[in-house]
Amino acid sequence: QSALTQPASVSGSPGQSITISCTGTSSDVGGYNYVSWYQQHPGKAPKLIIYEVSNRPSGVSNRFSGSKSGNTASLTISGLQAEDEADYYCSSYTSSSTRVFGTGTKVTVL
Amino acid sequence: QVQLVESGGGVVQPGRSLRLSCAASGVTFSNCGMHWVRQAPGKGLEWVTVISYDGSDKYYADSVKGRFTISRDNSKNTLYLQMNSLRAEDTAVYYCAKDGPRPFIDYWGQGTLVTVSS
Repeated sequence: QSALTQPASVSGSPGQSITISCTGTSSDVGGYNYVSWYQQHPGKAPKLIIYEVSNRPSGVSNRFSGSKSGNTASLTISGLQAEDEADYYCSSYTSSSTRVFGTGTKVTVL
Repeated sequence: QVQLVESGGGVVQPGRSLRLSCAASGVTFSNCGMHWVRQAPGKGLEWVTVISYDGSDKYYADSVKGRFTISRDNSKNTLYLQMNSLRAEDTAVYYCAKDGPRPFIDYWGQGTLVTVSS
């Protein structure tokens, strides 16, 4: 049950695009299309922003998009805004019917 | 709208027990898989356990297996986490979370803080 690997931090200027990677194994990310992404602001609960690799819940900005290739999933934030500054976590269903989260990425808007 | 409200957190000594509760509303609770996820101070999210909609299936992270027990009472729309033999490393905010129509978490509670300290 090792955590999925994410970069510790990613930064960008307003209006730019950034991408966060999430690397797992064939027993989790690579084996299922059940990768989700969560945004967490300080002191707040996580919020779902992407589910099943690339789907956005109602109300989530279309500036957020997701994809997957092999054992690595990615979250792209386009048109970066100050409000996007937060921690981001990926998560995946696993072959053991458990779940696993990524190590988390702090996004800084310069 | 979906509301998940955790309770039962607090300060407990190492080796002691604590039970968390999560009251659900705005959702057909008996149709939902439910999770507990925790976050140690300044750290990332750690999945802890999941229970199926009817309580027949339960899975645990290795870090809590044999010490924590998840359960639910669908007649009360309430999820529980019984935590025994608590350790300092169990100190965290514990979130109750709901599964979506497929295996991904779609809603979270606001969390309850558990501090294990002598």
